[in-house]
Order: sequence, then structure tokens, then C-alpha cells
Amino acid sequence: QKEVEQDPGPLSVPEGAIVSLNCTYSNSAFQYFMWYRQYSRKGPELLMYTYSSGNKEDGRFTAQVDKSSKYISLFIRDSQPSDSATYLCAMSPPGGYALNFGKGTSLLVTP
Amino acid sequence: EAGVTQSPTHLIKTRGQQATLRCSPISGHTSVYWYQQALGLGLQFLLWYDEGEERNRGNFPPRFSGRQFPNYSSELNVNALELEDSALYLCASSPKLDLDTQYFGPGTRLTVL
Repeated sequence: QKEVEQDPGPLSVPEGAIVSLNCTYSNSAFQYFMWYRQYSRKGPELLMYTYSSGNKEDGRFTAQVDKSSKYISLFIRDSQPSDSATYLCAMSPPGGYALNFGKGTSLLVTP
Repeated sequence: EAGVTQSPTHLIKTRGQQATLRCSPISGHTSVYWYQQALGLGLQFLLWYDEGEERNRGNFPPRFSGRQFPNYSSELNVNALELEDSALYLCASSPKLDLDTQYFGPGTRLTVL
């Protein structure tokens, strides 16, 4: 079993929809959680970074962490065609060096 | 502020050859990480360098090696290339006291024929 599981999709939504992206993990030592966005043939771009359980909001993006369930989510409000990309969750233990990535969810937002 | 840069953008090699990939971290970042993103496998951790030393490596054979220079730039070498080494190789950097926040470069796409 991989330490980080993420549904690869693809996920297709109409412009303006609320998007929910999720990851589950098995290693209870993970304390740092990130979401990256990766456009085709580009490197991942850090979107959100959270440490504790709860919600963190940044513009249209909200990251949610539930450590008791080992479950993290990224919500995108008012989705735009420019949000079409692959979204990768990543996590590490304290002082970690190697990020453990999910395989990524491909999102398509149609006009 | 300039981001992480990598060169070359694309690299085509044949089986058995050696490949050298280069990375320049964000100014002020001392840690450099290498990841392999192969089709269908997701990002896999390869190597971590900090202050010129190799700090840890992932589950890859010894023919994957590298080094970090005094200016914190880094080089990844892959010897005896195999077809399955074809992938996007990503370099990331982080500040010394913020190891979990990694910023990625655009990657080098290595194709082994």
C-alpha cells in the first residue's frame, strides 16, 4: 500500500463549480501537508502548505486537514479554465526532507 | 526573485550512456532535492543535498548520483542509462530551516532510446 493515495481522475467540471480534491495517507508521522499544481510539461507549483488539522484559506483555495482520519482536501471555489492542471498532494514528517507525493488528480474546467 | 532553474530542458541519450542534469536553487536556499517523475508512477524522491553534503537518498540504484557545489547548485548524474530512466527529473530547493517547503524547477525531460 502506498503511503499516500490520490484518485487520478480525470475530474471534469464546468466553470464556476466548486472542486474538491482529496488524499488519504497511512503514515501517522506526517505532519506537514502541501498541495502543488502542475501544468502540462511544467514543474509543480506550491499552492498551499499546512501544518495542523483544520482549514487554511488563500483566495479561492481552501486546504483542509483531518489528522484523525488521515485525510486531506483542497477546495477550489469559482473554478476557472486556468485551474485546469494536475493537482498533487504531498506530505512529510517533522524535519522531513523527502516529500511523499500522491500520483496527482487531473482537473479540467470547461468554459 | 528568480526561481529554481534547470538545464537542459530536454536530453536524449541512448542505453548505456551517462546523463548529467543541472540545477540552480533559489537564492538563499541551501537544500536541493532531486525527484523523478516517470509516467504513471508519480514523483519519487531521489536525493537530498544540503551544505554540499548528500543527506539522504531514495530507493534508487547507485548509478544515480550527484553533488552540490559551494554555490549550492547541484548536478545529478545517471550512469549506464536504461530505458526505464526516461522521465521528467525535477529539482527543488528549500531554505535551511524550512525543509518541508520545497519549490520546484521546470524539470529536465530525459529520454533514453
